[in-house]
Amino acid sequence: DVKVTQSSRYLVKRTGEKVFLECVQDMDHENMFWYRQDPGLGLRLIYFSYDVKMKEKGDIPEGYSVSREKKERFSLILESASTNQTSMYLCASSLGQVPNQPQHFGDGTRLSIL
Amino acid sequence: DQQVKQNSPSLSVQEGRISILNCDYTNSMFDYFLWYKKYPAEGPTFLISISSIKDKNEDGRFTVFLNKSAKHLSLHIVPSQPGDSAVYFCAASLRQGAQKLVFGQGTRLTINP
Repeated sequence: DVKVTQSSRYLVKRTGEKVFLECVQDMDHENMFWYRQDPGLGLRLIYFSYDVKMKEKGDIPEGYSVSREKKERFSLILESASTNQTSMYLCASSLGQVPNQPQHFGDGTRLSIL
Repeated sequence: DQQVKQNSPSLSVQEGRISILNCDYTNSMFDYFLWYKKYPAEGPTFLISISSIKDKNEDGRFTVFLNKSAKHLSLHIVPSQPGDSAVYFCAASLRQGAQKLVFGQGTRLTINP
């Protein structure tokens, strides 16, 4: 069974802080993803990675960066947090090299920026 | 530019009846479609998928139908149970690279006893 673990369920930070969200998967998946979920907007892709040290921008990368130093870990970084980054953040992973594989999600981090 | 749309924000169905959730897409290059179910305070859980070479896929009470000419897919749940109450997201991807998903806005399904 795939396990995707996000380090915090709830997080409260202040504007201007640098924020790190961590995600670890235990299934040796090549692909990892960061989304944010907002009411009425569904899930929107921020960044993804298809290999260690590789990263690509998703649909809404502004204000974010990512790091993938190890295959199992994918970090999302808010360089200078702003109130419009208050959201639910979801990490996912999927098997690479094999087509039509579902993504498996963690339970999310609800981030509040004050 | 919403490439995947779920036009019904909410749906209410009687227990035991059929629930039908709908999803439309605009990109004819999408070739893999998925449905996810999400409870509050949990991550989305993969439910069922279908590739573009098929028009129907079943898994127990859940069936997904794909109409490529209409760029439309639907999820049927029969019979509906109270535990099915959740938000349902449809998603689509292209068969290339990391197969990133494009999600719809979600439909909140409520099953009434």
